[in-house]
Amino acid sequence: DAKTTQPPSMDCAEGRAANLPCNHSTISGNEYVYWYRQIHSQGPQYIIHGLKNNETNEMASLIITEDRKSSTLILPHATLRDTAVYYCIVRRGGSEKLVFGKGTKLTVNP
Amino acid sequence: NAGVMQNPRHLVRRRGQEARLRCSPMKGHSHVYWYRQLPEEGLKFMVYLQKENIIDESGMPKERFSAEFPKEGPSILRIQQVVRGDSAAYFCASSPTLPKDTQYFGPGTRLTVL
Repeated sequence: DAKTTQPPSMDCAEGRAANLPCNHSTISGNEYVYWYRQIHSQGPQYIIHGLKNNETNEMASLIITEDRKSSTLILPHATLRDTAVYYCIVRRGGSEKLVFGKGTKLTVNP
Repeated sequence: NAGVMQNPRHLVRRRGQEARLRCSPMKGHSHVYWYRQLPEEGLKFMVYLQKENIIDESGMPKERFSAEFPKEGPSILRIQQVVRGDSAAYFCASSPTLPKDTQYFGPGTRLTVL
């Protein structure tokens, strides 16, 4: 599975959009971009995933660049409860395991 | 639809004892994965199982660790003769019918070895 690069930490003001970047320059054509988060040592929580097109669900939006070498997770209106470590994972279609990096620790400030 | 369930949530064992961690996948899910998170470290894949079969155990330590997912009942991660270095959070995830499906995680079992 391709490696990803994320900033180790970010801050965001409550109520503002949080934009979390991820670089995956060696991504292959059949690899998906997944985002999970882990709130204070709880079990990782699935957020969203995509292949080529931008995706949106009730939690977040995922913007993937046209060349697929990077992506951005957008939390449109961050709350204090969004404080967590966010993991960007590139996963080959058909691959079983998830390979977690160090992620980005997002702190939402009041 | 209940999520992935793990028990116990906290487990304390003395060195040399056995630890048994249980994972009940989401209803309709037939794939189970175990991950370990050592203190201050990231999550590491351990093993992937389908009913009655171990598919990928490339992340399992060679000794003392075993996993099963019987036809009936939960998946079990078993650690024999625990040592202090086994202290960690153990997470189980499950996915529906295909390994490429999204994995959903349980709350984890925190093992402390005294």
